[in-house]
Amino acid sequence: DAGVTQSPTHLIKTRGQQVTLRCSPKSGHDTVSWYQQALGQGPQFIFQYYEEEERQRGNFPDRFSGHQFPNYSSELNVNALLLGDSALYLCASSSGGRGSYEQYFGPGTRLTVT
Amino acid sequence: KQEVTQIPAALSVPEGENLVLNCSFTDSAIYNLQWFRQDPGKGLTSLLLIQSSQREQTSGRLNASLDKSSGRSTLYIAASQPGDSATYLCAVVSTDSWGKFQFGAGTQVVVTP
Repeated sequence: DAGVTQSPTHLIKTRGQQVTLRCSPKSGHDTVSWYQQALGQGPQFIFQYYEEEERQRGNFPDRFSGHQFPNYSSELNVNALLLGDSALYLCASSSGGRGSYEQYFGPGTRLTVT
Repeated sequence: KQEVTQIPAALSVPEGENLVLNCSFTDSAIYNLQWFRQDPGKGLTSLLLIQSSQREQTSGRLNASLDKSSGRSTLYIAASQPGDSATYLCAVVSTDSWGKFQFGAGTQVVVTP
């Protein structure tokens, strides 16, 4: 049984560019959440998708947007990249609709903005 | 607004000693609390999930307790091993947050042989 997968593993972008990160949830899960983790800090909630809609959002600007597909996979898009967007981006999946049940995390995508 | 704190930020113990990791939260109206382990540069591995109606959960050498009234959870790791070296994070879901996990900054643990 495949767990949560994310691609790519690493990414280097230039300030001002746009980036798309991808996530496939654990089999049987229907809810995907995205988190940003800066070095030495705990993950910060970006947003959560359920039934192809953004259901909850953290304190992130509109430059951060996402999408969920009918197969429950999800994308995170970041426009107009800033140096401060450099971080580990984590995807988590859960089941139960509410998304408050146990969350399983992927290995993350390390984004470096130069 | 829910805030989660983990103290200490770092901890070093000799192999065989029991580990005690603390997590405190400001709003007791939580749905559940989850403990994670994170190795350097890696994703998060779920260790234990405690529902708000539970007082503790156990898995092997790990035991987590929850005291909602005092806003605290403690993770105990018995007979620590060098392989337990990692950062341990706790996260809570508040009842009004619909799945938004609030994380602490973590406790970095080093177990010396």
